[in-house]
Amino acid sequence: ELKVEQNPLFLSMQEGKNYTIYCNYSTTSDRLYWYRQDPGKSLESLFVLLSNGAVKQEGRLMASLDTKARLSTLHITAAVHDLSATYFCAVDSGAGSYQLTFGKGTKLSVIP
Amino acid sequence: SAVISQKPSRDICQRGTSLTIQCQVDSQVTMMFWYRQQPGQSLTLIATANQGSEATYESGFVIDKFPISRPNLTFSTLTVSNMSPEDSSIYLCSHRGGGFDNEQFFGPGTRLTVL
Repeated sequence: ELKVEQNPLFLSMQEGKNYTIYCNYSTTSDRLYWYRQDPGKSLESLFVLLSNGAVKQEGRLMASLDTKARLSTLHITAAVHDLSATYFCAVDSGAGSYQLTFGKGTKLSVIP
Repeated sequence: SAVISQKPSRDICQRGTSLTIQCQVDSQVTMMFWYRQQPGQSLTLIATANQGSEATYESGFVIDKFPISRPNLTFSTLTVSNMSPEDSSIYLCSHRGGGFDNEQFFGPGTRLTVL
């Protein structure tokens, strides 16, 4: 059974600081996704990581994937208040199923 | 990516009743999925709905409780049957994009409260 663990689950940080969210998963997978969810809203797709060593960046967010370590990171650079949200990583179960197993989410609060 | 809409956006229901949630995609998609997000929790996959075949349910979810229809490539419904307060959740449908990275997109969700 695929397990996905995120940490930390809660993160409070000041504007301008850097921080990293970690996502570990238990079995080999084809794809790893990062999503953002604002309160009362649906999920917004941030990144899809497909291969070992993949790195993607959008604005102040950068995601990477190490398939050998079964680890993905979401790095936040110089945080701003608008980044406050819950971030989920999700892993494709593989074998063409496209079924996602989600981590518990990291609730990020950026304090001005 | 195809645009996904859901109806209703929210509802408050009485115990023992059933609610059908509709999911509409503005272009044809092969695979659609239904997820549940309990209050303050992460998302859990309920079932995969492919057109022309029975839905495939995940462990802990059964067809009698969550019957699903997928009559065509743009539409699916999820029914939450014989509801109890434990069914209070956000229910989201999603579809797999057709691009190389198979990005998955989510609908706006249906927020269900069962009294």
